[in-house]
Amino acid sequence: KAGVTQTPRYLIKTRGQQVTLSCSPISGHRSVSWYQQTPGQGLQFLFEYFSETQRNKGNFPGRFSGRQFSNSRSEMNVSTLELGDSALYLCASSQNTGLNGYTFGSGTRLTVV
Amino acid sequence: AQSVTQLGSHVSVSEGALVLLRCNYSSSVPPYLFWYVQYPNQGLQLLLKYTSAATLVKGINGFEAEFKKSETSFHLTKPSAHMSDAAEYFCALTSGNTDKLIFGTGTRLQVFP
Repeated sequence: KAGVTQTPRYLIKTRGQQVTLSCSPISGHRSVSWYQQTPGQGLQFLFEYFSETQRNKGNFPGRFSGRQFSNSRSEMNVSTLELGDSALYLCASSQNTGLNGYTFGSGTRLTVV
Repeated sequence: AQSVTQLGSHVSVSEGALVLLRCNYSSSVPPYLFWYVQYPNQGLQLLLKYTSAATLVKGINGFEAEFKKSETSFHLTKPSAHMSDAAEYFCALTSGNTDKLIFGTGTRLQVFP
């Protein structure tokens, strides 16, 4: 059974650009969540999607957005990149609810220069 | 508001020694608690979870944790450390109100031969 797949693994972007990250959940998983991990702020929740609807949202500016497709694959987009957006972005999936724990992908490391 | 506190950002033990990683939580509703492990350049792997069943929870790789409501704690232990246990460990909680995970700041475990 394939795990959670995130692409790309590494990304370098320039300030002001935008970026799109992709996440393919485990087959049959309908919930997808995104987290940002930085040395200073740790792991912070971005948003969660379930059946193509955003179910929860964290405290991030509107430059951070996401969506989920009918096959449960999810993308997150960051517009007008800032240096502080440099982070490891982790995607996690679960069947319906995260109360039994999420399965995480290996992450996309974004560097903004 | 919910929160997770991990005491000790770094813990060092000798191979074969007891591992004890501390986690305290704050939650106004019954929590679901998790321990995740992160190896360098990897995502998070679920070690174990507490979901209001047995208070002593056994996980993978010989780890276990005990939920103590009176102490609002969920400490992670392993009787005998192995070199391969060196990694960063995160305690996290969620509740039935939302599936978002709230993480502690992490504890880096070093294992010396």
